[in-house]
Amino acid sequence: DTEVTQTPKHLVMGMTNKKSLKCEQHMGHRAMYWYKQKAKKPPELMFVYSYEKLSINESVPSRFSPECPNSSLLNLHLHALQPEDSALYLCASSQARGGYYEQYFGPGTRLTVT
Amino acid sequence: ILNVEQSPQSLHVQEGDSTNFTCSFPSSNFYALHWYRWETAKSPEALFVMTLNGDEKKKGRISATLNTKEGYSYLYIKGSQPEDSATYLCAFKGGATNKLIFGTGTLLAVQP
Repeated sequence: DTEVTQTPKHLVMGMTNKKSLKCEQHMGHRAMYWYKQKAKKPPELMFVYSYEKLSINESVPSRFSPECPNSSLLNLHLHALQPEDSALYLCASSQARGGYYEQYFGPGTRLTVT
Repeated sequence: ILNVEQSPQSLHVQEGDSTNFTCSFPSSNFYALHWYRWETAKSPEALFVMTLNGDEKKKGRISATLNTKEGYSYLYIKGSQPEDSATYLCAFKGGATNKLIFGTGTLLAVQP
């Protein structure tokens, strides 16, 4: 199974809501990533977990809170978002951290903040 | 600021045409160069991870070359098919950064 799944596919939320994005992989990968992609821009890294520990936070605002409950799951908790946070959020995993390993991506969650 | 640039931004070819596009990246402190294919409404899919200067990799009709000294990689598609229509992204990993830096992609449309 080389699939990374993400739920939900689409999410519309108000600025006062709290919601979570979920990501799952069963490839035994020990690195998991959250990316944000705005229209016509390249994916930008937000967070990296390595062996279930947060290893990179790319200065992401605290209204985004990542969580890695176990080696297969990655969550992104959202609270008090702004309209400019509307984007496609991609999850990815790789065998380990580091640029030598290809990343396996999920299809993304399209988030709209109203 | 590390820049990864791809050209052209978009490309329209006829079925059967061969095509190629370019990824330019910083030539110093190179670690790896990734290529991904991203079809609409699907997940980005890894094509190649290239690490050595002069590397050439091939998967079916798609191949890629790498020149780390001058900071570029070419992706070639031989005999394009409609199913090759996608955005092709490259991503650079250098020693000065702890993450992949993605280019903006080349959008390929293959007309039957």
